[in-house]
Amino acid sequence: GNSVTQMEGPVTLSEEAFLTINCTYTATGYPSLFWYVQYPGEGLQLLLKATKADDKGSNKGFEATYRKETTSFHLEKGSVQVSDSAVYFCALSSSGGSYIPTFGRGTSLIVHP
Amino acid sequence: ETGVTQSPTHLIKTRGQQVTLRCSSQSGHNTVSWYQQALGQGPQFIFQYYREEENGRGNFPPRFSGLQFPNYSSELNVNALELDDSALYLCASRPTGTTQETQYFGPGTRLLVL
Repeated sequence: GNSVTQMEGPVTLSEEAFLTINCTYTATGYPSLFWYVQYPGEGLQLLLKATKADDKGSNKGFEATYRKETTSFHLEKGSVQVSDSAVYFCALSSSGGSYIPTFGRGTSLIVHP
Repeated sequence: ETGVTQSPTHLIKTRGQQVTLRCSSQSGHNTVSWYQQALGQGPQFIFQYYREEENGRGNFPPRFSGLQFPNYSSELNVNALELDDSALYLCASRPTGTTQETQYFGPGTRLLVL
């Protein structure tokens, strides 16, 4: 079956540092890949997505590239801000049919001023 | 602010009881999904409803059931509660005409089963 593995957190960074949160997946076929973010006290929200190999999803300065050869979808940001402190979830959904996502366990990011 | 509300925010039940959780989404959100998020885990898909019919289900037993109403509200019912049902339950709605991953999540209901 499908599965998503994320690096364990928390990830603690100083403001303006470079961020990488690793995500690898196992799936049959050609899944779509997603990053969701959950800010403190709020519901999850879609951050970015990529639907095919070599696609790059980007939003709010965050980027992730769909790497089929390494089955990875690592989240990166060049310069984090305190307001980026949140829990980040990597997810996938198999192509075709209903959207039934498989989520990773989440990685907590804490950014200090 | 996603426009999706859930009630109650917290709930305590005992093993064997039944529980109903509620979700209210915005007008035009014809698809609603429910997820279970255990502590320290990512959300697990329970099921999805579209126009009051279930049209997708994850690996959850039949004692997890749902309803969707014409007024864009929905319910998750869990019978014969077990200790492992303790979790945060999330609902997410999707506006008609958007891509499938465009979901608006509510803040969740935290259920504790003793």
